Amino acid sequence: DAGVTQSPTHLIKTRGQHVTLRCSPISGHKSVSWYQQVLGQGPQFIFQYYEKEERGRGNFPDRFSARQFPNYSSELNVNALLLGDSALYLCASSLGPGDSYEQYFGPGTRLTVT
Amino acid sequence: GESVGLHLPTLSVQEGDNSIINCAYSNSASDYFIWYKQESGKGPQFIIDIRSNMDKRQGQRVTVLLNKTVKHLSLQIAATQPGDSAVYFCAEAGSQGNLIFGKGTKLSVKP
Repeated sequence: DAGVTQSPTHLIKTRGQHVTLRCSPISGHKSVSWYQQVLGQGPQFIFQYYEKEERGRGNFPDRFSARQFPNYSSELNVNALLLGDSALYLCASSLGPGDSYEQYFGPGTRLTVT
Repeated sequence: GESVGLHLPTLSVQEGDNSIINCAYSNSASDYFIWYKQESGKGPQFIIDIRSNMDKRQGQRVTVLLNKTVKHLSLQIAATQPGDSAVYFCAEAGSQGNLIFGKGTKLSVKP
């Protein structure tokens, strides 16, 4: 069975640029959450989407945005990249609101901002 | 505010011994907790979960204990193997369907 998939695996961007990260949830899962993991720390919550609607948002600036598509895949967008945005970006999927905490993670996208 | 922390940042054990990884949480209203294992270069892998109406839950070679009185969570790994070497995170349920993670404990297994 395919797990959560994310693309690209690695990405190098320059300060001020824009980036789009993609995620496909486990088949049958309708909720997607995004997390940022800085080296040496635990993942920090960015967004959660269910049925294309934002259900939760962490303490991140408006430069971060996301959306979910009818097939439940999702994109995370970051504008005006800063050096501090360098991190592993993780996508997690879950069945839906009743099981939103039972989250399964993808391998992540390693973003490096230079 | 909500937070989850870990007592020890690193833990080194001998192969075959049992490992115990500890975690403290601050939100007494939290009702769901998960342990994740993260190997280098990979995303967190679900190990075991527990709800607040339970004190103990067992899986294959792993046991999670929950002490709500002192807001403490622990993960016990029996007969630790080299493949268990990783960073272990506890996470608690947040208020937005999200998980709140601590910094993690790095487990090293010596052969």
